[in-house]
Amino acid sequence: KNQVEQSPQSLIILEGKNCTLQCNYTVSPFSNLRWYKQDTGRGPVSLTIMTFSENTKSNGRYTATLDADTKQSSLHITASQLSDSASYICVVSDRGSTLGRLYFGRGTQLTVWP
Amino acid sequence: EADIYQTPRYLVIGTGKKITLECSQTMGHDKMYWYQQDPGMELHLIHYSYGVNSTEKGDLSSESTVSRIRTEHFPLTLESARPSHTSQYLCASSEYNTLLGTEAFFGQGTRLTVV
Repeated sequence: KNQVEQSPQSLIILEGKNCTLQCNYTVSPFSNLRWYKQDTGRGPVSLTIMTFSENTKSNGRYTATLDADTKQSSLHITASQLSDSASYICVVSDRGSTLGRLYFGRGTQLTVWP
Repeated sequence: EADIYQTPRYLVIGTGKKITLECSQTMGHDKMYWYQQDPGMELHLIHYSYGVNSTEKGDLSSESTVSRIRTEHFPLTLESARPSHTSQYLCASSEYNTLLGTEAFFGQGTRLTVV
């Protein structure tokens, strides 16, 4: 069964600190993996996308890693800001159908305290 | 920012009323989706469309219906709203890139409350 599991479910950190969010998946055949940021009451916004051949990709203070062998990804946030408080969702796409099916994790709720 | 729009953003409505949630995209995408999301929970696919006159039910059973008469428009309708329909509804569209695979773009969502 194609699944995406994220940990931790929630995380509280102080402003300025770093944190790492985890995503494990069993989706096959794998096409790509995206990390989305979803502010409360709004739609998800894409942060990074990684394909099978990529190991690391950065977008400002966000750095995503991908280990396609172990089917694990992480999102590292550096020097956190209050505006980083949001839900971070790992989304994996398969390439087994023309739909390019998307599989969603439940998200990690990050809260950054001043 | 993605060119996909949902209206209304917030809706409070009484039980038994008929409602339509609007979703429009200007990117020319053939594939469009509706997701339902409860607070703190994952997104669940309730409807999708491959193109005009194509609609399919998703993984999560829903009493809502959809239509796709025009490429850019994918409205969702509830004939008789109930409190159990209270949730956030997210519309999305996607395109396939040969290098990056499928990329999905989301609207801002409609927060529906049925009282």
